[in-house]
Amino acid sequence: SAVISQKPSRDICQRGTSLTIQCQVDSQVTMMFWYRQQPGQSLTLIATANQGSEATYESGFVIDKFPISRPNLTFSTLTVSNMSPEDSSIYLCSANRDSGTDTQYFGPGTRLTVL
Amino acid sequence: SQQGEEDPQALSIQEGENATMNCSYKTSINNLQWYRQNSGRGLVHLILIRSNEREKHSGRLRVTLDTSKKSSSLLITASRAADTASYFCATDGGGSYIPTFGRGTSLIVHP
Repeated sequence: SAVISQKPSRDICQRGTSLTIQCQVDSQVTMMFWYRQQPGQSLTLIATANQGSEATYESGFVIDKFPISRPNLTFSTLTVSNMSPEDSSIYLCSANRDSGTDTQYFGPGTRLTVL
Repeated sequence: SQQGEEDPQALSIQEGENATMNCSYKTSINNLQWYRQNSGRGLVHLILIRSNEREKHSGRLRVTLDTSKKSSSLLITASRAADTASYFCATDGGGSYIPTFGRGTSLIVHP
């Protein structure tokens, strides 16, 4: 299994500011993803973090709002930019070693509250 | 959409009883995974079942998959208060191996 950690675990931020969330995997993985879970809702995929190239965003999510980095096979960051209260959610990092054959593991999540 | 839909949305049982949750999906899949989430925290992976498998077990968990009905069920036997959580199914298919999630079943097990 893959062990995934995220920092910070939670934060309270002011409207208009930005927050960068870090995701660290304990071993090299092929695929890394970022999800958002709004209060009481299911998980929605934001983007696939591609190593060495731009992230692939899902419909409704754009790079200017959610810039993502993935400098190597074990680390990724998600920035939530120019935050508003609607961005209050849990943000989850996930990864798998071999797309299509492997379990997808999740980090503990980052609980973000925007005032 | 590949998204699975869990049923029921909420389930309340007594400790020791069995809990059954169902997941339905719309198109053919590669894999179906079940996850548990406690109090809005990270997801814990429970079981992955592939499209060519019909049943898998892990401890007190039993997952079945019926591809003809496009549905799966998660059975938790002899439930415990610690099983109280939200349970999600996630499916991938249609050329993508990225799981998409249903809305989840909220399970409460009363001691």
